[in-house]
Amino acid sequence: EADIYQTPRYLVIGTGKKITLECSQTMGHDKMYWYQQDPGMELHLIHYSYGVNSTEKGDLSSESTVSRIRTEHFPLTLESARPSHTSQYLCASFGLHFYFGPGTRLTVT
Amino acid sequence: QKEVEQNSGPLSVPEGAIASLNCTYSDRGSQSFFWYRQYSGKSPELIMSIYSNGDKEDGRFTAQLNKASQYVSLLIRDSQPSDSATYLCAVTGGYNFNKFYFGSGTKLNVKP
Repeated sequence: EADIYQTPRYLVIGTGKKITLECSQTMGHDKMYWYQQDPGMELHLIHYSYGVNSTEKGDLSSESTVSRIRTEHFPLTLESARPSHTSQYLCASFGLHFYFGPGTRLTVT
Repeated sequence: QKEVEQNSGPLSVPEGAIASLNCTYSDRGSQSFFWYRQYSGKSPELIMSIYSNGDKEDGRFTAQLNKASQYVSLLIRDSQPSDSATYLCAVTGGYNFNKFYFGSGTKLNVKP
């Protein structure tokens, strides 16, 4: 069964805070992705990885960083949250196709 | 020019009709094509994948691919109100097939 998890599901945080959005998958997929999506809008690729110790910036890095120390884990970190970071963040892995996590809805006040 | 183009809609069809969703892409080297359905507030979920020219059918859904025209479509037969969602087209990068491009999605409304 395909499982990809994201925590937290909802987060409200003040400006300037450092936050880490967690993403884990149990399928052993090498390729993992972070997307940002505002309500009713398109997906924007933030970062992606095609294996341990490999990460690439997408079209919208949004002042965030990622790490890939283990195959199953791909966390996204915002060093200093800003109101412009308010959005839905979707993590995905790719095997035969994309599997998306449930998302983290982030609000920065 | 965007890598993947979709008509944003909304596309409105009556219940029981055929809904036709279209997608064009710019990278001639793209090899894998996917259709995802996304309900409001939810994550995208796979409808179909297609890799070769021609038609691929799965239940009420048919994907059509024409690489020469750089065009992929999704037909939904006997549309149901539960099909009302945004449909996303996704395409692999031809040069970098680790990278995927999503269209902005077409919103489909199926009226009872």
